[in-house]
Amino acid sequence: QSALTQPASVSGSPGQSITISCTGTSSDVGGYNYVSWYQQHPGKAPKLMIYEVNNRPSGVSNRFSGSKSGNTASLTISGLQAEDEADYYCSSYTRSSSVVFGGGTKLTVL
Amino acid sequence: EVQLVQSGAEVKKPGESLKISCKGSGYSFSTYWIGWVRQMPGKGLEWMGIIYPGDSDTTYSPSFQGQVTISADKSISTAYLQWSSLKASDTAMYYCARHIRIGYYYYMDVWGKGTTVTVSS
Repeated sequence: QSALTQPASVSGSPGQSITISCTGTSSDVGGYNYVSWYQQHPGKAPKLMIYEVNNRPSGVSNRFSGSKSGNTASLTISGLQAEDEADYYCSSYTRSSSVVFGGGTKLTVL
Repeated sequence: EVQLVQSGAEVKKPGESLKISCKGSGYSFSTYWIGWVRQMPGKGLEWMGIIYPGDSDTTYSPSFQGQVTISADKSISTAYLQWSSLKASDTAMYYCARHIRIGYYYYMDVWGKGTTVTVSS
């Protein structure tokens, strides 16, 4: 199955806000409110940041928020900090495979 | 504390078999789905499949069906990922992750640190 489409890279300066998009189809992102986001620092395991489109697990900063419109989900990070520099992956339910990931987005904090 | 502890790095030759493990602690292992995610060198995450240790119900991604076997031993709170005949293309980092199920949707709330598998002649 095809991965969800994410931009390869995004960047922002400390204090700014950035948004990472995740585009799928009506068979995955658009069909269900079942999108999650993961942060992965180099050499580390992924970490859950958002689930069910816009829910934050306990312990995740409220600077991270999620949303969805049509077939595109978005992760917004406000008040960008150096520690946010990482790879970010979206994930959605899909009938063909239960779980599908996006290709990943490298966030650079300038 | 909820933890998933994975087995150590492996170096194997093509054609060899391998079984890596993931031991859960700090929660009721039998009542949470647990699954595996592949990350090839320099690449993104790929979902492989999951198992429910309580009854060994298993679901595979179509991309990995028939290529690997996922199993679990609830008596020792351990999940496994195994290959019968490794290929060089199996070289990757493999993460186990606890899955939370909502309807048919899963998200991964706890991750192991990963097991590196290198397949080379």
